[in-house]
Amino acid sequence: QVQLQESGPGLVKPSETLSLTCTVSGGSIGRYFWSWIRKPPGKGLEWIGYIYYTGSTSYNPSLKSRVTMAVDKPRNSFSLTVTSVTSADTAVYYCARGEGFNDFWSGLDYWGPGALVTVSS
Amino acid sequence: EVVLTQSPGTLSLSPGERATLSCRASQSVNSNYLAWYQQKRGQAPRLLIYGASRGATGVPDRFSGSGSGTDFTLTISRVEPEDFAVYYCQLYGYSPSITFGQGTRLETK
Repeated sequence: QVQLQESGPGLVKPSETLSLTCTVSGGSIGRYFWSWIRKPPGKGLEWIGYIYYTGSTSYNPSLKSRVTMAVDKPRNSFSLTVTSVTSADTAVYYCARGEGFNDFWSGLDYWGPGALVTVSS
Repeated sequence: EVVLTQSPGTLSLSPGERATLSCRASQSVNSNYLAWYQQKRGQAPRLLIYGASRGATGVPDRFSGSGSGTDFTLTISRVEPEDFAVYYCQLYGYSPSITFGQGTRLETK
């Protein structure tokens, strides 16, 4: 059974950098898209970006200038960094798996439980 | 940019009733790229439907999806107490690469 687990600091100061890691167990990181999604308090889901197992990325244009993702195949994990954070970046951050190719999208079929990140001094 | 608009914002029903949730795209999209999720308070979203109408593994058959072009629907044939939650539609493969609707809250009447 595939499992995902987010990890990282729960509190980040304004203007600093948010860093999270998602560790995948029960399956290989190969072949899939690995996404980061967040849910600010009282709001809906916002897609941040995804990284393919090859390292190619796609980011939400609204966050692209501040976001970087990387994959670590030996550790079967992938990471998210968001620079210059403000209170608007306070959210529960989720990692999730998806698979897409010509005329097929699997949906985001496995999700981590989520990690609350609060931006505050 | 493709925008997904869900309606209604909140749906109030009693257990046993039929639920119909709508997701409208701002342009015609490939239905193979449309998915639906359920999110309960304090939990991660759960995939219900992919490819507009294919049930994900383990999802009860009271959940069904339909639609094409710009209009998509998630139907719960008979709402169970555990179905009260927020539901999101989601699109892949356009700009941005992944987009979510704003969600529909299904609440107890």
